[in-house]
Order: sequence, then structure tokens, then C-alpha cells
Amino acid sequence: AQKITQTQPGMFVQEKEAVTLDCTYDTSDPSYGLFWYKQPSSGEMIFLIYQGSYDQQNATEGRYSLNFQKARKSANLVISASQLGDSAMYFCAPDTGTASKLTFGTGTRLQVTL
Amino acid sequence: NAGVTQTPKFQVLKTGQSMTLQCAQDMNHNSMYWYRQDPGMGLRLIYYSASEGTTDKGEVPNGYNVSRLNKREFSLRLESAAPSQTSVYFCASSESLAKNIQYFGAGTRLSVL
Repeated sequence: AQKITQTQPGMFVQEKEAVTLDCTYDTSDPSYGLFWYKQPSSGEMIFLIYQGSYDQQNATEGRYSLNFQKARKSANLVISASQLGDSAMYFCAPDTGTASKLTFGTGTRLQVTL
Repeated sequence: NAGVTQTPKFQVLKTGQSMTLQCAQDMNHNSMYWYRQDPGMGLRLIYYSASEGTTDKGEVPNGYNVSRLNKREFSLRLESAAPSQTSVYFCASSESLAKNIQYFGAGTRLSVL
């Protein structure tokens, strides 16, 4: 069974600063990817970024990037130049690519301040 | 530009009542999923459908049934609602199990009294 750990229940960051949200996972499956989703207060789940297990470089998508360290089983989300609209819950989830059981962490609530 | 559409958005049931949550996607995705989200928790998978005609249990299937009506539609049924099923329910779809970036509906907020 997979275990996802997001150790930061809440984070604060000032507008225009960068912030790192932590995610560690425990899976015995070597063939996996890693997702990050954003859930604003309106409730919808928004896909942000995906890292494939065999990708040679860390994934980037606009202001979002992943700091993927396979040996440590961590895939931290870095948001650069934070904006007020980035205030939301952020969930990570590894994907084994086989059973498709997308197991979500408990999330980190990010609050961007002026 | 609809993506994944869920109905209804809100529902209140009495214990023992039944209801069906509807989900439809217009992205020609093969795989579809139902999750529940309880306060302070991430999403937990209830059931999924790898492709039209197949369904499989997820982490928390008890008390639910699903139907993959066609490629577009995947419904979730509560036969006899219980207060423990009070939750927010999300439907999602992905191109396939292998290409598993999932796109979510807006959610259904269900209260069982």
C-alpha cells in the first residue's frame, strides 16, 4: 500500500515570494508518477503538474516546478512568484501507473499574504 | 469546454434514502473515477472504470454501486444512505489508466441526515 505524507498542514507566503510544499511517498512500485493538484476555496480539483518516474528532468509548468528526488522519495512543489490566487489547498499523489489508485495526501493549505 | 460535469451540485438525504450521482465527460476519455472527500482529508477512491464496460473497487467501496453507462457517463448510486456517507463526491476522468492525469468535476456536496 502507498503512503503519502504532506507534513505541512498550513503554510504562509508573501506575495511574489517563492514557496516549497513538501510531499514524501512510500511505494514499492518503481514505475510511478507524481501528481500535484490545487483545490481553491470554490472546491474544484485542478491538475497542476505531473512528474514521470523516468523523466530525466524535473517537471516545470509555468510558475510551478517539481523538486523530484527519487532516492528520498520526495516530490516537492515549488511555486515561484506567489500570487494571491495561489491561496488554496494543495494535494500530492503518486500514481503507480498500474492499479490507477490515485492516493491523495492530506494536503497543505497555502495562504498568500500581501 | 465542459470537461467533467457532475449533477447535482448539492443534495440532502434522509437516512435510508437512495440516490444516484451523475457524471459525464466530453473529453473522449476511457477511464473514469469516483472519489469522496471528507473534512481535513484528501480524496479517497470509491470505484473506478478503466474502460467502457468495466468497473473496479477502490479504497472505500462499501455502501456504493456504480454503472458505466457508456463511454461518457459514470454514475454512483447510494442504495441506502447513511450519515457516514456525508461528504463531497468528485468524479474524474483520464485518457486511460496508463495516461492517468485526471480531470475533475466540480463536486457534489451530499448531506445525509
